[in-house]
Amino acid sequence: DTAVSQTPKYLVTQMGNDKSIKCEQNLGHDTMYWYKQDSKKFLKIMFSYNNKELIINETVPNRFSPKSPDKAHLNLHINSLELGDSAVYFCASSHDRGEQFFGPGTRLTVL
Amino acid sequence: KQEVTQIPAALSVPEGENLVLNCSFTDSAIYNLQWFRQDPGKGLTSLLLIQSSQREQTSGRLNASLDKSSGRSTLYIAASQPGDSATYLCAVRSGGYNKLIFGAGTRLAVHP
Repeated sequence: DTAVSQTPKYLVTQMGNDKSIKCEQNLGHDTMYWYKQDSKKFLKIMFSYNNKELIINETVPNRFSPKSPDKAHLNLHINSLELGDSAVYFCASSHDRGEQFFGPGTRLTVL
Repeated sequence: KQEVTQIPAALSVPEGENLVLNCSFTDSAIYNLQWFRQDPGKGLTSLLLIQSSQREQTSGRLNASLDKSSGRSTLYIAASQPGDSATYLCAVRSGGYNKLIFGAGTRLAVHP
């Protein structure tokens, strides 16, 4: 049973396109996150949702819009993709401020 | 602003050695600290979580310690094996913040 799952695993697209990444957790957690890992492998928080409510939004361009339809899902929609958006995007979840569990990542390549 | 530093950036050891990975953080007002491993092209696997009130946590051959006052944590790996080869990441959750601040990681290679 996969605890935190993401789809797709790989995403290759052209500049200017709009794309979405989906995340689901079956751990019963109330808090979900999106992280970005850049080409130098550095991980940085983008967004955090608690009980479907946005609680952290780290200076991310408006082209990125998270959506949480329910506590088990947190999707990431990206408009007008740019070359610099190429990275690995990780979804994670936790119970409040407890141990965080990560998904397998989505490798986004913008051409 | 919380900053997390991991030393060394890379480490190569022969199988069987005991080793220590270091993590330091600038703001001692943390809620907890988590150690992860990341295999190439894979997600993060949680290894150990230490709450701010704890001094250490153990899981199998892994032992993590926390000294909040000095802003340090160490991950001790006993009797290293080639399967331990991965990048080890330290992440700190500062008090009041619902996010993890990550270090850049230590890339470990254990050779037979």
